[in-house]
Amino acid sequence: DIQMTQSPHSLSASLGETVSIECLASEGISNYLAWYQQKPGKSPQLLIYYASSLQDGVPSRFSGSGSGTQYSLKISNMQPEDEGVYYCQQGYKYPPTFGAGTKLELK
Amino acid sequence: QIQLVQSGPEVKKPGESVKISCKASGYTFTQAGMQWLKQAQGKSLKWMGWINTNTGKTTYAADFTGRFVFSLETSASTAYLQITNLKNEDMATYFCASGRDWFAYWGQGTLVTVSS
Repeated sequence: DIQMTQSPHSLSASLGETVSIECLASEGISNYLAWYQQKPGKSPQLLIYYASSLQDGVPSRFSGSGSGTQYSLKISNMQPEDEGVYYCQQGYKYPPTFGAGTKLELK
Repeated sequence: QIQLVQSGPEVKKPGESVKISCKASGYTFTQAGMQWLKQAQGKSLKWMGWINTNTGKTTYAADFTGRFVFSLETSASTAYLQITNLKNEDMATYFCASGRDWFAYWGQGTLVTVSS
């Protein structure tokens, strides 16, 4: 299975700050990379797919980049509603696998 | 709009079985496969497998063979996950989700508590 290593495990950001979350795949995944946000007690919400495509309805302050084995999610202008846990997921090979998650809190 | 609505929380004893439903609406049920994922409390997501809603063919991840069964009631646009011989480690929230390479639509999750 492809292993997805996310970093950092947690971070806190001030209102308006820009943050980045990294995801490293154990092998190349050809941009088949998605990012999700999950809030407590809720199901995950797809933010980014195919590494950099913004899902409909997701604010443009979310952006994704990367290639090969290294990918990142950037959140510009941190807002209170951006608190949550963020997961990366590879869809290149079965089984789909997820990173361990990054908990983002408002400072 | 596309919605996946799952059945409510369950409390079961070890060795019992549970069947979770996922009712789809807002799209043609047979045109998108249904995925199943597990999330233990405080943990990441784990893909369990999927069922082709057109053919009924099932694919299970390696850790979810034997006691886990996906099924369909196509006339009701509903997918099911059954877990037999429940173990403590099955205690988790189970999600259905729609998508292939990634999952754009999710059910609200069904918490399964396993306790003697």
